[in-house]
Amino acid sequence: AQSVTQPDIHITVSEGASLELRCNYSYGATPYLFWYVQSPGQGLQLLLKYFSGDTLVQGIKGFEAEFKRSQSSFNLRKPSVHWSDAAEYFCAVALGGSYIPTFGRGTSLIVHP
Amino acid sequence: GAVVSQHPSRVICKSGTSVKIECRSLDFQATTMFWYRQFPKQSLMLMATSNEGSKATYEQGVEKDKFLINHASLTLSTLTVTSAHPEDSSFYICSARAQGNEQFFGPGTRLTVL
Repeated sequence: AQSVTQPDIHITVSEGASLELRCNYSYGATPYLFWYVQSPGQGLQLLLKYFSGDTLVQGIKGFEAEFKRSQSSFNLRKPSVHWSDAAEYFCAVALGGSYIPTFGRGTSLIVHP
Repeated sequence: GAVVSQHPSRVICKSGTSVKIECRSLDFQATTMFWYRQFPKQSLMLMATSNEGSKATYEQGVEKDKFLINHASLTLSTLTVTSAHPEDSSFYICSARAQGNEQFFGPGTRLTVL
């Protein structure tokens, strides 16, 4: 069965610092990969997705993610974090055809002023 | 962009009562809608997938008689939690998908059963 692992439950960064959130997946083939953000009490917003092609994917709000097949990883990055980026971030994978994502447990991002 | 709404955003009910949650796609027709459940500080767990006009497909471990799903039109799906108990308290999120691959998520409904 496919699975996705987000090893960090919490990440704390200072405003203006760079950010990297880790995501690893376990699946025989290359799945479809997603990053979502959830603000408190809100639904999910898609930040970016990877289906095929260029392994460096640009998303909204200045986020990017890089797919590394050899490491089964899809880490999310942002060069300079803003206080408004504080939220819960979910990595997700989906089988080809179904596009129904399986979510990781999430990483809570805390931004210090 | 595609917008999905949920109503109500919060509901508090007594144990033993039933609660209905609506999920609407506001500016597109959703051929498929999904219902998720999220416990505090945890991930989203898919409960069921519903296609307009057909019976929902429930994930393993989800009681279909407990969580009734109706997808009567291309813009509306409802989740009814029947005979709710405190352990049903959770954050319920729906999503909708049109003909493409992307799911659009609603803002969620916080259910508290006393």
